[in-house]
Amino acid sequence: TAGITQAPTSQILAAGRSMTLRCTQDMRHNAMYWYRQDLGLGLRLIHYSNTAGTTGKGEVPDGYSVSRANTDDFPLTLASAVPSQTSVYFCASRDRENTEAFFGQGTRLTVV
Amino acid sequence: GQNIDQPTEMTATEGAIVQINCTYQTSGFNGLFWYQQHAGEAPTFLSYNVLDGLEEKGRFSSFLSRSKGYSYLLLKELQMKDSASYLCAVQDSNYQLIWGAGTKLIIKP
Repeated sequence: TAGITQAPTSQILAAGRSMTLRCTQDMRHNAMYWYRQDLGLGLRLIHYSNTAGTTGKGEVPDGYSVSRANTDDFPLTLASAVPSQTSVYFCASRDRENTEAFFGQGTRLTVV
Repeated sequence: GQNIDQPTEMTATEGAIVQINCTYQTSGFNGLFWYQQHAGEAPTFLSYNVLDGLEEKGRFSSFLSRSKGYSYLLLKELQMKDSASYLCAVQDSNYQLIWGAGTKLIIKP
């Protein structure tokens, strides 16, 4: 079982360039999330989607956008990358409230 | 604001017991999760508490006191593979997960 898959696993990106981080799950989970994890700060929510066709802003949404065209896919786009977006990005999904979230393996992004 | 506090780092000896504490102040409470994260890997689920008391799952137990805004994760019979970060997350009134910064646990032989 694949679970939840992110691509790419790592990327070096020039400042000002755009990039889409991909996330796909095969568990038919309703809710999906994008987090960034920085040393000492824990996981911070960027955007979320409670169900296909809906999205919402998390704690740190500026500079990022998402879409949820179907249940399985939840891509995260950086329109014009800046060095402060250097981080490890995790996509997660869960079936509903009060259940555990499953995480992808992460994307390590370096903006130079 | 919302705040979750955990110790940054703890050290314990193989075979011993360690307790990792988590205190929280959030806008509403709908349960608390503990996750384990090995270096360079994704977080994986350990436990979920929504009612007060102790939940035991093998070598790991998790305790919750909602009136005190407090939880702990208890790890018994520590093994070297338990060296990891342990993340506490609270589900707030909107059912969003608010994460602590994590506790890095170092196990020494």
